Amino acid sequence: KAGVTQTPRYLIKTRGQQVTLSCSPISGHRSVSWYQQTPGQGLQFLFEYFSETQRNKGNFPGRFSGRQFSNSRSEMNVSTLELGDSALYLCASSLQGDVTNEKLFFGSGTQLSVL
Amino acid sequence: DQQVKQNSPSLSVQEGRISILNCDYTNSMFDYFLWYKKYPAEGPTFLISISSIKDKNEDGRFTVFLNKSAKHLSLHIVPSQPGDSAVYFCAASSNMLTFGGGTRLMVKP
Repeated sequence: KAGVTQTPRYLIKTRGQQVTLSCSPISGHRSVSWYQQTPGQGLQFLFEYFSETQRNKGNFPGRFSGRQFSNSRSEMNVSTLELGDSALYLCASSLQGDVTNEKLFFGSGTQLSVL
Repeated sequence: DQQVKQNSPSLSVQEGRISILNCDYTNSMFDYFLWYKKYPAEGPTFLISISSIKDKNEDGRFTVFLNKSAKHLSLHIVPSQPGDSAVYFCAASSNMLTFGGGTRLMVKP
């Protein structure tokens, strides 16, 4: 069974640009969540999608958005990029998104650098 | 305000000895706690978890302890192996996961 796939692996953008990251969950997984990892800050929760609906949202500005398609693939978009958006963006999938009864499976992430 | 904190950014131990990684939380609504391990260039992988109704959970060399009154959990690795060298994240859940900042463990041969 293929794991969680994130594309692209690396991305370099300049301030003010926008970026779209993609995540393909494990087959059969309907929940996809996104996290931002920066040094010392750990993994900060961005949002979670289940059956094409955003079910939970973290404390990030509206420049960060996402969506989920009918095949459970998800994209996240960051508009008007700032230097502080440079981070590793991780996607995780699970069957139903029940974090107390299911494991999260993470992709390898997209490393975004904003210059 | 970080609800889950790992106060030690790094830890170095000798192979064969015990590694103890600590995590503190502030939200009393958290009812489930997990540890994830992350190698460079890979996503985190689940290691071990514990429900708030327990105070200890063991899986091979890994044991997680939960002290609810102190809002503290710890991960013990015995014996430590060089392959355990990674960044360890603790996480706590109410309806979504909140992660700590991570502790980089280095196990020296």
